[in-house]
Amino acid sequence: LQQQESGPRLVKPWETLSLTCTVSGGSISSEIDFYWGWFRQSPGKGLEWIGDIYYTGTTYYNPSLKSRVTITVDTSANQFSLSLTSVTASDSAVYYCARRNAAADGGGFDFWGQGALVTVSS
Amino acid sequence: DIQMTQSPSTLSASVGDRVTMTCRASQNINKWLAWYQQTPGKAPRLLIWKASNLQGGVPSRFSGSGSGTEFTLTISSLQPDDFATYYCQHYNSYPWTFGLGTKVEIK
Repeated sequence: LQQQESGPRLVKPWETLSLTCTVSGGSISSEIDFYWGWFRQSPGKGLEWIGDIYYTGTTYYNPSLKSRVTITVDTSANQFSLSLTSVTASDSAVYYCARRNAAADGGGFDFWGQGALVTVSS
Repeated sequence: DIQMTQSPSTLSASVGDRVTMTCRASQNINKWLAWYQQTPGKAPRLLIWKASNLQGGVPSRFSGSGSGTEFTLTISSLQPDDFATYYCQHYNSYPWTFGLGTKVEIK
């Protein structure tokens, strides 16, 4: 399984950050024991979980970002996407997508994308 | 939110050393804890899930233990590839949170 983040790496303040994670080597819709998540990492805040989505579209968001975040899934394209509105410089970070293993014989986020450095600047 | 506290923040060690680091949760998370390894410029790599289960492909020198609020990650004999930062993450309840990491550096 592989995941790859794509999207603009430079976003202007107060605009919307949009990233897509394309999954290959497995089908999001057939991976019923798995959730698909977004994270970010910046020097000042460490690793931060943004949210998870299940292939059915059910979402779970970090309350600290919930008012600005939307995660969607496109099973036909085997992709899931992140949208973060009204960004400021503090949203500059490396953004990762990852798969969470929710199976009884698994746990944690076991496959990660390589990460996308997104900078918020005018 | 459940707060995860890792110690020490930095650990100096030599190749071949036995290394132990600690992660404490602000409330009971049973065994819903994962450990990750991260090297600069790379994504985190899952090492341990459910506190003590070794992820496939991870060398057996890595081991995890603990339950409730206190957990440890041990590297039995440190290898050159192990110089990295290690993070714990709980998945007991949303929102998932991480510790700030333990950096293992060359002594």
